[in-house]
Amino acid sequence: QVQLVQSGAEVKKPGASVKVSCKASGYTFTSHGISWVRQAPGQGLEWMGWISAYKGHTNYAQKLQGRVTMTTDTSTSTAYMELRNLRSDDTAVYYCARDGASGWFEPWGQGTLVTVSS
Amino acid sequence: EIVMTQSPATLSVSPGERATLSCRASQSVSNNLAWYQQKPGQAPRLLVYGAFTRATGLPARFSGSGSGTEFILTITSLQSEDFAVYYCQQYADWPITFGQGTRLEIK
Repeated sequence: QVQLVQSGAEVKKPGASVKVSCKASGYTFTSHGISWVRQAPGQGLEWMGWISAYKGHTNYAQKLQGRVTMTTDTSTSTAYMELRNLRSDDTAVYYCARDGASGWFEPWGQGTLVTVSS
Repeated sequence: EIVMTQSPATLSVSPGERATLSCRASQSVSNNLAWYQQKPGQAPRLLVYGAFTRATGLPARFSGSGSGTEFILTITSLQSEDFAVYYCQQYADWPITFGQGTRLEIK
């Protein structure tokens, strides 16, 4: 079955960087894009950006431009999201999700908790 | 960006009854609208895409309707497992945006 498995929880200090991985299985990796969505504690869902697994094209949320980089490794069917210069308000669960044919998300990874604390 | 507004924020309904959740877009998104369910500690789960197409395996008691700027998710004969938070999402234009969510709780 289609599955996305993410890397484990991270604890980082303010100003540091974090890189979360998302390994896909059960489908042709390059046939779908991957979006990243985050959810701060007790809050709603925030779309962070999208990457084409085929050509590596990206589209990032404006508020994260300059701090986020999304990449893929087609040899391992893995997507990555790196967020730099972390702040306390970056504390959240980070999800990867496979893009449907037009922009809906299914399935989602299990989520990765990133805690930013001094 | 397109702002998605969900109402109500919290909906209290008894098991076996019907729940009606609303989602409004600040501009037309045609039918580029999805609904998700999220339970505590879990990732969101796709319910509906294209405003009314049910995801694979979704029970028929879930139905989506609407187009343009007004959308509805209806859940009939509520089961205990349906009590969760529901989000709408537009994918008509970048950036992709979500509503703030409706918490469906047991009355």
